[in-house]
Amino acid sequence: NAGVTQTPKFQVLKTGQSMTLQCAQDMNHNSMYWYRQDPGMGLRLIYYSASEGTTDKGEVPNGYNVSRLNKREFSLRLESAAPSQTSVYFCASSPLGGTATGELFFGEGSRLTVL
Amino acid sequence: GENVEQHPSTLSVQEGDSAVIKCTYSDSASNYFPWYKQELGKGPQLIIDIRSNVGEKKDQRIAVTLNKTAKHFSLHITETQPEDSAVYFCAATATTSGTYKYIFGTGTRLKVLA
Repeated sequence: NAGVTQTPKFQVLKTGQSMTLQCAQDMNHNSMYWYRQDPGMGLRLIYYSASEGTTDKGEVPNGYNVSRLNKREFSLRLESAAPSQTSVYFCASSPLGGTATGELFFGEGSRLTVL
Repeated sequence: GENVEQHPSTLSVQEGDSAVIKCTYSDSASNYFPWYKQELGKGPQLIIDIRSNVGEKKDQRIAVTLNKTAKHFSLHITETQPEDSAVYFCAATATTSGTYKYIFGTGTRLKVLA
């Protein structure tokens, strides 16, 4: 049972380069999320998708775009990477969402370094 | 905006002692309060959660308490073991246009000393 799978696990970019972080879940969950984790700042929500076909901004959306490609997949794109986007990125999913709340299932993270 | 404060940021305890981590939240509409454990190199995993209609919940050596009036909730780990060493995050739900999002605390690094 794979759960939430993120690719790549590690990536080094130069300032100004673009890249897409991929996330897929095999649990038939409705909601999906992208968080970034920085030392001393915990997990901050970048974007989320409460259901297939919808996306909304979180706390720190600037510099990112997302696509909910289908129910399984939710990608995060950096159009022009900046050193401030050096972080560990986590994708998560939940069977619930919208007005209901429940457990988040996290992937193992993608460590991104922007030089 | 909504936020969740978590204390302490680091906590060292002797094996067998208890550990307590505290969080406060700002959104009075929050109704769900999970705790996650993150081991090195892994994603966070849910260890226990509590809903706003319950004051306390226990699962073996871990327990969570909630005080809605004061807007704070705490994680209690008894008889700590070396495998409890990890980073722990609290979270609270926050509403935006009727949709719930999860706001996380800044994390507590727990070290259990053998």
